[in-house]
Amino acid sequence: AQSVAQPEDQVNVAEGNPLTVKCTYSVSGNPYLFWYVQYPNRGLQFLLKYITGDNLVKGSYGFEAEFNKSQTSFHLKKPSALVSDSALYFCAVRDGTGGYNKLIFGAGTRLAVHP
Amino acid sequence: NAGVMQNPRHLVRRRGQEARLRCSPMKGHSHVYWYRQLPEEGLKFMVYLQKENIIDESGMPKERFSAEFPKEGPSILRIQQVVRGDSAAYFCASSPPGTSFLYEQYFGPGTRLTVT
Repeated sequence: AQSVAQPEDQVNVAEGNPLTVKCTYSVSGNPYLFWYVQYPNRGLQFLLKYITGDNLVKGSYGFEAEFNKSQTSFHLKKPSALVSDSALYFCAVRDGTGGYNKLIFGAGTRLAVHP
Repeated sequence: NAGVMQNPRHLVRRRGQEARLRCSPMKGHSHVYWYRQLPEEGLKFMVYLQKENIIDESGMPKERFSAEFPKEGPSILRIQQVVRGDSAAYFCASSPPGTSFLYEQYFGPGTRLTVT
């Protein structure tokens, strides 16, 4: 069965420092991976996705993610964190049993960026 | 271009009442997904619909829950005889027609259901 894990409940980083939010996955077949961000009392906003191609995927708001097949990871990164990046981040993997994006989400990682 | 619309944003129901949640997808989108988010948890898939068709309802409880996406109008998630355990945020997402798995989903702001 497809699954995704976000091993950290919370990540704390100082403004201006690089940030990494971790995600590992388990799928049968090729993984389709996504990152979403959720601000308080809001819906999820799409950040980026990996379907195929370059292992480094660039997304919205300066975020990028590195797909590593051997480590089955898809960590989210940003070179310089902003206080406004503080939010809840979800990694998701496509459940590949159908020709559509039925997503399986991780439990989420709360990112706190301190001034 | 308006995004995915959901209403109501907040809904309070007493145990045993019915909850009706509405979702209007983005313009031009004909695929709708419903997810449920329990407090402090990730989103869990419930159902995937295309216009007038339920494609995958494997995540939806077999009793009391139903979903539809009529030819005209919004998609509706209906919960009959609500219980306290139904209290959650319900999110709708939409994607364009065509080869659906190539497209990311766009999420609405959610409906927060509280059952008292």
